[in-house]
Amino acid sequence: DAKTTQPNSMESNEEEPVHLPCNHSTISGTDYIHWYRQLPSQGPEYVIHGLTSNVNNRMASLAIAEDRKSSTLILHRATLRDAAVYYCIHTSGTYKYIFGTGTRLKVLA
Amino acid sequence: DAGVTQSPTHLIKTRGQQVTLRCSPKSGHDTVSWYQQALGQGPQFIFQYYEEEERQRGNFPDRFSGHQFPNYSSELNVNALLLGDSALYLCASSLWGGVNEKLFFGSGTQLSVL
Repeated sequence: DAKTTQPNSMESNEEEPVHLPCNHSTISGTDYIHWYRQLPSQGPEYVIHGLTSNVNNRMASLAIAEDRKSSTLILHRATLRDAAVYYCIHTSGTYKYIFGTGTRLKVLA
Repeated sequence: DAGVTQSPTHLIKTRGQQVTLRCSPKSGHDTVSWYQQALGQGPQFIFQYYEEEERQRGNFPDRFSGHQFPNYSSELNVNALLLGDSALYLCASSLWGGVNEKLFFGSGTQLSVL
């Protein structure tokens, strides 16, 4: 099964950028990289996904290493509402997503 | 447009009992997946339903079973409950077959087994 490695926790100051790293050394050529986040008392919510190129959306940016063995989720200006557990997943689209323990992001006011 | 809805939100059962959890997918979605999330852990995949059939299954015993109805809603059944089944059960909906499709999760059912 696809497995990713993320730091257990990270801290950021409000209004500053945050870079959340993920290693996915077992990724195959057709696997997409997905990021989800889980706010307290809620189910996970989609953040962003990509295959090879860097991706941007209104929530975040995704930077994918050239060898695709790692990726970084970038929150350009962290807010208190971004405090959550962030999960990085790679999948071939079968929806059998393998979630790790994720990175708990703490945003300091 | 309602998102994924799950019921009940909380449930308390005793060991050995059976439980049924329900999920209505986001409008337009045809695929439902179920996940179990223990405290402090990431969600673990249980199984996935499409066209009323179980399409994929994670590493869960046969005590966990499910069903999908013609309107795409789904049920998760757990028999012979164990203390270790206490967890947040999440339902996610999506469209079948798209590698770019996002999963939409409900807020979950918190099951406590005493």
